[in-house]
Amino acid sequence: GAVVSQHPSRVICKSGTSVKIECRSLDFQATTMFWYRQFPKQSLMLMATSNEGSKATYEQGVEKDKFLINHASLTLSTLTVTSAHPEDSSFYICSARDLGGLLEQYFGPGTRLTVT
Amino acid sequence: SQQGEEDPQALSIQEGENATMNCSYKTSINNLQWYRQNSGRGLVHLILIRSNEREKHSGRLRVTLDTSKKSSSLLITASRAADTASYFCATDEWGGNNRLAFGKGNQVVVIP
Repeated sequence: GAVVSQHPSRVICKSGTSVKIECRSLDFQATTMFWYRQFPKQSLMLMATSNEGSKATYEQGVEKDKFLINHASLTLSTLTVTSAHPEDSSFYICSARDLGGLLEQYFGPGTRLTVT
Repeated sequence: SQQGEEDPQALSIQEGENATMNCSYKTSINNLQWYRQNSGRGLVHLILIRSNEREKHSGRLRVTLDTSKKSSSLLITASRAADTASYFCATDEWGGNNRLAFGKGNQVVVIP
């Protein structure tokens, strides 16, 4: 089946620094990728839709300047958490939809971000 | 938006028993999908049911969809300890550009 990878799987950073998370579709092309955030024992909250070659579409309440998204190719989207604060600590998950496939979204394994 | 809502949210069963979870939603949908998530991991796609389908099977999984009631159920038959996980339903809303709205999730614990 389709595979989506995320890197890093776990990152600890100091408050005020920026962190970049990569999301890659390994064996398929994805014009659209999605970024989610998940707090412990809660559901996934969609943050933004990443579109290859154009600007990302952010959900209401998500700060565009805080969470920078770049979808540079059909297999790579990046999420940069800028000037991270402890409240940004969370589990970040990306997903991708196969351009030539059916309707399923394939999810990455997630990135655990801890801001100290 | 988080429109899917599962009931019950926590389920503890003995190995071999069946587990049933429900999900309700509020808007028109293209399809509804069920996912499994093991603790601290990403999501695994289980099954997708389109809005014009009423029932679908995949191995030990059975999903039903009632669009008139805007609800879906996931049945896991003959549960195994490895089925212990959180299960989420997600709706692909009509006109939503493939964005998925996730429900709150069901925590299922299968006791060996």
